[in-house]
Amino acid sequence: QVQLQQSGAELAKPGSSVKISCKASGYTFTSYYISWIKQTTGQGLEYIGYINTGSGGTNYNEKFKGKATLTVDKSSSTAFMQLSSLTPDDSAVYYCARGLAGAYWGQGTLVTVSS
Amino acid sequence: DIQMTQSPSFLSASVGDRVTINCKASQNINKYLNWYQQKLGEAPKLLIYNTNNLQTGIPSRFSGSGSGTDYTLTISSLQPEDVATYFCLQHSSRPNTFGAGTKLELK
Repeated sequence: QVQLQQSGAELAKPGSSVKISCKASGYTFTSYYISWIKQTTGQGLEYIGYINTGSGGTNYNEKFKGKATLTVDKSSSTAFMQLSSLTPDDSAVYYCARGLAGAYWGQGTLVTVSS
Repeated sequence: DIQMTQSPSFLSASVGDRVTINCKASQNINKYLNWYQQKLGEAPKLLIYNTNNLQTGIPSRFSGSGSGTDYTLTISSLQPEDVATYFCLQHSSRPNTFGAGTKLELK
């Protein structure tokens, strides 16, 4: 069955970076894009962008350009999202999802930014 | 960006009730509208894709309809396990955008 397994919760200091992973199984990894989504209580769900897992090509929501960097390792069927220059506003649950419109989602990774 | 206005924000209904949730897009999204269910502490789960297609494994009491800018999720007979927050997502135009959610509780 399709599974997306995300890395564990992160506690980070303001100004630092974190890198979240999303390991796919149960399907051909390069046949589907991976999307990334941010969820907060205040802002709800926000679409960060997606990566073409075959070519590595990316597309970002303008709001997250310079904040998020999406990469992929085809050999391990894993997608990554690095979040840089963290501020408290980056505290959220981050999800990866299969495809442009998210048919399957990872379990989410909680990122907490605090000094 | 396309704005998705979801209503109501909160809904209280009884077991067996017919429930409808609406999403209105700020422009035509050509039926590229998905519905998700999110239970407390869990990831969203796809219920309906492209307006009216039931995802595999989802009970037939869930259905979707709509066109242009107006879309509806219907639960024909509410069950206790349907208590959750429901979101719509438009994927017609990048960036994809979500509705703010409808929290559904049992009366």
